[in-house]
Formats: sequence, C-alpha cells, structure tokens
Amino acid sequence: QKEVEQDPGPLSVPEGAIVSLNCTYSNSAFQYFMWYRQYSRKGPELLMYTYSSGNKEDGRFTAQVDKSSKYISLFIRDSQPSDSATYLCAMRRGGGNKLTFGTGTQLKVEL
Amino acid sequence: NAGVTQTPKFQVLKTGQSMTLQCAQDMNHNSMYWYRQDPGMGLRLIYYSASEGTTDKGEVPNGYNVSRLNKREFSLRLESAAPSQTSVYFCASSETQTNSPLHFGNGTRLTVT
Repeated sequence: QKEVEQDPGPLSVPEGAIVSLNCTYSNSAFQYFMWYRQYSRKGPELLMYTYSSGNKEDGRFTAQVDKSSKYISLFIRDSQPSDSATYLCAMRRGGGNKLTFGTGTQLKVEL
Repeated sequence: NAGVTQTPKFQVLKTGQSMTLQCAQDMNHNSMYWYRQDPGMGLRLIYYSASEGTTDKGEVPNGYNVSRLNKREFSLRLESAAPSQTSVYFCASSETQTNSPLHFGNGTRLTVT
C-alpha cells in the first residue's frame, strides 16, 4: 500500500462547478500538506501549503486537512477551463526532509 | 527572475551512454532536489542537497550521481543510461531543507532506447 493515495481521474466537470480533489495517507507523522498544480509538459507549481489540521483559503481555492481521518482535500470554486491540469498532493513530517507525493488527479474543466 | 531552470528540455540516449542534466536556481535557496516522474508512480526523490557542499540519497538513487557545483547549480549525471531511466526529471529548490515549499523547474524529458 502506498503512503499517499490519490485517485488518478480523469475528473471532468463543467465550467463553474465546485471541484473536490482528495488524498488519503497512512503515516500519522505527516504534518505539512501541500497541493501542487501541474500543467501538461510543465513542472508542478505550489498552490496551497498548510500545517496540521484545519482549513486554508486562497481565492477560489480551499485546502482542508483532517488529520484524525488522514484525509486532505482541495476545493476549487467557480472552476475555469484554465484550472484544467493535474493536481498533486504532497506531504512531509515535521522537521523531515522527505516530501511524499500522490500520483496526481487529472482535472478537465469543460466549457 | 527565472526561478528554476533546467537544461536540456528533451534528450534521447542509447543504452550505455552518459549525460548530465543541469539545473540552476536564482532564488538564493539553500536546498536543491532531483525528482523523477513516471506514470502511476508520482514524483520520487533521487538525490537532494540540503546546502552547498552536501548531497544525500533519496528514494531511488541507483544509477545516478549528483554534484552541487555552487549554491545556484545542482547537476544530475547518468553514467550508463538504461531504458528504466526513461522518465521526466524535475529539479526543485527550497529556502531551507525542512518545512519550506519546493519550487520546480519545467523538467527534462529523457528517453533511453
């Protein structure tokens, strides 16, 4: 079993929809949680960076961490075609130097 | 301000050939990393350099060597390429080794035939 599980998709939604992307993990030592967006043939770019449990909002994006369930989510409101990309979750231990990535969920937002 | 720059963007090698992937960052970051990305496997750490003058193995170091040339540059060398090393290679940097987010380059797409 992988340390971080992420549904690969593809996930197809209409423009304007609310998108929910999720990851589950097994290592309770993870304390820092990140979401990266990766466009085709580009490198991952950091979207959200959170510590421990709770919510963090940035514009149309909300990251949610539930450490008791070992579950993290990224919500995208009013989704746009420009949001079409692969979304990678990533996490690390407190003070750790190893980032563990999910395999990514491919999202397509259609007009 | 280019961020993290990787060269070359594409490369095709024959089995047994060698090559060096170059990476440079202009953000004055202390730590640098090499990852490979394969379908269904996600990003896996090959080597990292916590600070200038230090390098350490990551999750999948076999078949690779690295050099932290200075604070800006971190290269990855394949001494004898194998088809299993066909992948997309990403360089990343972070301000510190711990608890600071990674910034990635746009990758080198390597095919070994």
